[in-house]
Amino acid sequence: EAGVVQSPRYKIIEKKQPVAFWCNPISGHNTLYWYLQNLGQGPELLIRYENEEAVDDSQLPKDRFSAERLKGVDSTLKIQPAELGDSAVYLCASSLAAVGSNQPQHFGDGTRLSIL
Amino acid sequence: DAKTTQPPSMDCAEGRAANLPCNHSTISGNEYVYWYRQIHSQGPQYIIHGLKNNETNEMASLIITEDRKSSTLILPHATLRDTAVYYCIVRVVMDSNYQLIWGAGTKLIIKP
Repeated sequence: EAGVVQSPRYKIIEKKQPVAFWCNPISGHNTLYWYLQNLGQGPELLIRYENEEAVDDSQLPKDRFSAERLKGVDSTLKIQPAELGDSAVYLCASSLAAVGSNQPQHFGDGTRLSIL
Repeated sequence: DAKTTQPPSMDCAEGRAANLPCNHSTISGNEYVYWYRQIHSQGPQYIIHGLKNNETNEMASLIITEDRKSSTLILPHATLRDTAVYYCIVRVVMDSNYQLIWGAGTKLIIKP
């Protein structure tokens, strides 16, 4: 089974520029997550989708971050404008889980963002 | 805040069992314990999870104490490729949303 696919793997931009990340979850997984991971720390949840609905975006900085999952499959995460502190690895994960389920999340290899 | 406490680093000899401890003394009755690992420059990889009973799969065994306040992940025959950061995570339910609360993990180094 193909895993979670993310692109690009690396992205370098100047501050104040926009940037977008793309995620293709495991086929059949209706739940999709975006995480941010800083160096030496565990991932932090940004947003969770159940199909095309964002059911938990409480940790998403909505002034500059946005996400979409229009057809309930692929998803994009956007930052506009990027700031120096946004340098991190952005991880996407998916699971079979509906709310309350204990199905594990499966992660992609992330996009490493560097802001100059 | 993370609900788990893990040692920052551990060593283990290749071929021996690696036993990774985790404390989760504030865990609630319906909160699962998950273990993931992360190899450098890769995304986290799911290993195993459990609620009350001990669990085993092809990768590892999970031993949960009877009071559920701690657990141990066991890699029965560690190889060099098991060198990674291992995360012990409690899945919590907050305001009808559930989250995996990640700590800093244990960096496990397998030595030849």
